[in-house]
Amino acid sequence: EPEVTQTPSHQVTQMGQEVILRCVPISNHLYFYWYRQILGQKVEFLVSFYNNEISEKSEIFDDQFSVERPDGSNFTLKIRSTKLEDSAMYFCASSEGGLSGRTAFTYNEQFFGPGTRLTVL
Amino acid sequence: KQEVTQIPAALSVPEGENLVLNCSFTDSAIYNLQWFRQDPGKGLTSLLLIQSSQREQTSGRLNASLDKSSGRSTLYIAASQPGDSATYLCAVPYSGGGADGLTFGKGTHLIIQP
Repeated sequence: EPEVTQTPSHQVTQMGQEVILRCVPISNHLYFYWYRQILGQKVEFLVSFYNNEISEKSEIFDDQFSVERPDGSNFTLKIRSTKLEDSAMYFCASSEGGLSGRTAFTYNEQFFGPGTRLTVL
Repeated sequence: KQEVTQIPAALSVPEGENLVLNCSFTDSAIYNLQWFRQDPGKGLTSLLLIQSSQREQTSGRLNASLDKSSGRSTLYIAASQPGDSATYLCAVPYSGGGADGLTFGKGTHLIIQP
């Protein structure tokens, strides 16, 4: 069964360093998302991406974050200058359809990857 | 701003019982609602997606209902098993209406005792 994959599973970095988290969405999906979950807290939406551009972002997704689809399979989240409070589990998700493209809502079930645990020291 | 609340926060029951998990949301102008399960330290597994035009969706021993007008959804688990132990999350579109991202509740932590 197709699944979303993420690498690395765990990333440790020093405060102020740049990190890139990688995701491979399900191959026929067109909509991609990043979420984060700080330990013990809710899963929080960061950004959605469709047709090679950001379609929606939350207030968490500030200028230190960026997303990119560098090729036909990868979807990346870059954090430019990490802070201690960026320590969290980061989840990538994808869906076949979504509201940005006004496709049938039946296909906008989101499938999540296993996550990357980011630890900022 | 959409807010999602899940009750109860935790539940521990013996194996074999039927369970109801509750989810409420503040903005009823949603297109769909999705239920997930999360195992400790793991990702989210999609269980069910209910479109706003549906009132119920079933998958195996799971049945989810949606009442948009009252801003509520329930997840019914029949004949619970120890393998059902996990945190169950409810999620709706981020800004209540035409949005791609999801807003999540804090979840119900479920323990099924053998």
